[in-house]
Amino acid sequence: EIVLTQSPGTLSLSPGERATLSCRASQSVTSGYLAWYQQKPGQAPRLLIFGASRRATGIPDRFSGSESGTDFTLTISRLEPEDFAVYYCQQYGTSPYTFGQGTKLESK
Amino acid sequence: QVQLQESGPGLVEPSATLSLTCTVSGGSISRGNSYWSWIRQRPGQGLEYIGYIYYSGNTYSNPSLGSRVTFSLDTSKSQFSLRLNSVTAADTAVYYCARDPGYGEPLDYWGQGTLVTVSS
Repeated sequence: EIVLTQSPGTLSLSPGERATLSCRASQSVTSGYLAWYQQKPGQAPRLLIFGASRRATGIPDRFSGSESGTDFTLTISRLEPEDFAVYYCQQYGTSPYTFGQGTKLESK
Repeated sequence: QVQLQESGPGLVEPSATLSLTCTVSGGSISRGNSYWSWIRQRPGQGLEYIGYIYYSGNTYSNPSLGSRVTFSLDTSKSQFSLRLNSVTAADTAVYYCARDPGYGEPLDYWGQGTLVTVSS
């Protein structure tokens, strides 16, 4: 199965700063089928980005995704207070679909 | 707007069978190319993909769960279900149902999740 390794495990930033989250795949992700989800405590994950770089409906444009080979990046250009949460990447191109272990974005 | 809602016992005894149902509203469960999926999250842990049942009835389960998992679909009730047998404490988790609208699409709608604890 494809292993997704997210880094860092925890990221401490302040509102207004830029956040860069990484997700590295153990092998090629079919057709760039890589998604990013945001999860807040007690809530289900929320789809942010799919196809490595396409924003889901209703997602602010401060969220962007990019791909370089087996490395994927989620960037939040200017952090808002509501952005502090856990972020997961997921590949959905090869079964079994797999998730990264998550990056916790916390307020400094 | 598609909505999903999990239901089922919150407590299951070790070695018993965990059974959960997901009720779908706002969209047809039997049309389109949707994969009706299950994901779980152990306490304080990340997400694990369990598997899916396709709108046609075909299924796929994560090899990590072996043959313990079965899925079913009840189109008359707009529901799909998960059964996990021979459970242990390691199966304690929040279980989510979600929709995958088709191959090459992500999980776009999720239920709120339901906590299942395996304990005697």
